[in-house]
Amino acid sequence: QSVLTQPPSASGTPGQRVTISCSGSSSNIGSNYVYWYQQLPGTAPKLLIYSNNLRPSGVPDRFSGSKSGTSASLAISGLRSEDEADYYCAAWDDSLSGPVFGGGTKLTVL
Amino acid sequence: EVQLVESGGGLIKPGGSLRLSCAASGFIFTNAWMTWVRQAPGKGLEWVGRIKSKSDGGTRDYAAPVKGRFTISRDDSKNTLYLQMNSLKTEDTAVYYCTTDNSGVINRAEWDHWGQGTLVTVSS
Repeated sequence: QSVLTQPPSASGTPGQRVTISCSGSSSNIGSNYVYWYQQLPGTAPKLLIYSNNLRPSGVPDRFSGSKSGTSASLAISGLRSEDEADYYCAAWDDSLSGPVFGGGTKLTVL
Repeated sequence: EVQLVESGGGLIKPGGSLRLSCAASGFIFTNAWMTWVRQAPGKGLEWVGRIKSKSDGGTRDYAAPVKGRFTISRDDSKNTLYLQMNSLKTEDTAVYYCTTDNSGVINRAEWDHWGQGTLVTVSS
C-alpha cells in the first residue's frame, strides 16, 4: 500500500491529453514539493517534473505538473506512442522523515 | 556527462549479506548527496536510504524496512557509493538503483540522475 495514491492505469489515443492524479496528505504533498518520474519499459526511472511544475532540461513542454492542497497531477498533451510508460509521483513526507512514492500509473497509448 | 554504474547484485540466500557498489563520474561526487532506490519485480519504486556529503555531515537516513540491516557508505577518494545489505530477506529482492539526490536545506524527493540498476535476488 503506497503512501501516495495514483490510479493504476490510464490510457489515451495519439494527440490526446491525459492526466494522472496523485493524492497524498498534509505531511507529504500538502507541505512539500511533488516530483514525477517516467519509467520506460526495461529502463531506469527518469525525472520528469520537479518542484511541482518545473521540467528538467530536455523534457518536452507536452509534460506539465500541478499541485493543489494535498493532490497533484501530471498532464501529458499531444500524446505520443513513446509516452507509453509507468509514471510515479513522489514527495518528502515529514511524518515518516523520508520520501514516499505513489504506486505508479501505467500509461497505454491506444 | 553524469554516469552512475551499479554492480554487486546477484543471487543470495535468506540471511546472507551482499555489498552493492555504485561508481560515479561526470560530477563532483564529494559534494553530492546520494540515494538508493529499489524496485521489486513488477512493483513500484521504494526509497531505501540516503547519505549526505561529508561537508553536510555525512549522515545517513534509512527507510523503516531496512533500518538496522542495511548500511550506506561512500568513498569519496574512489567516487563510489556502497550499500551493505545484511540479514537479507526474500522481500529485499529488487533492482537497486543509485541516484544523485538534490536535497539540501529542503528535503526533496528529487533524484535527477540514475544508474541502470543491479538485481538482487534473495532466495533459497
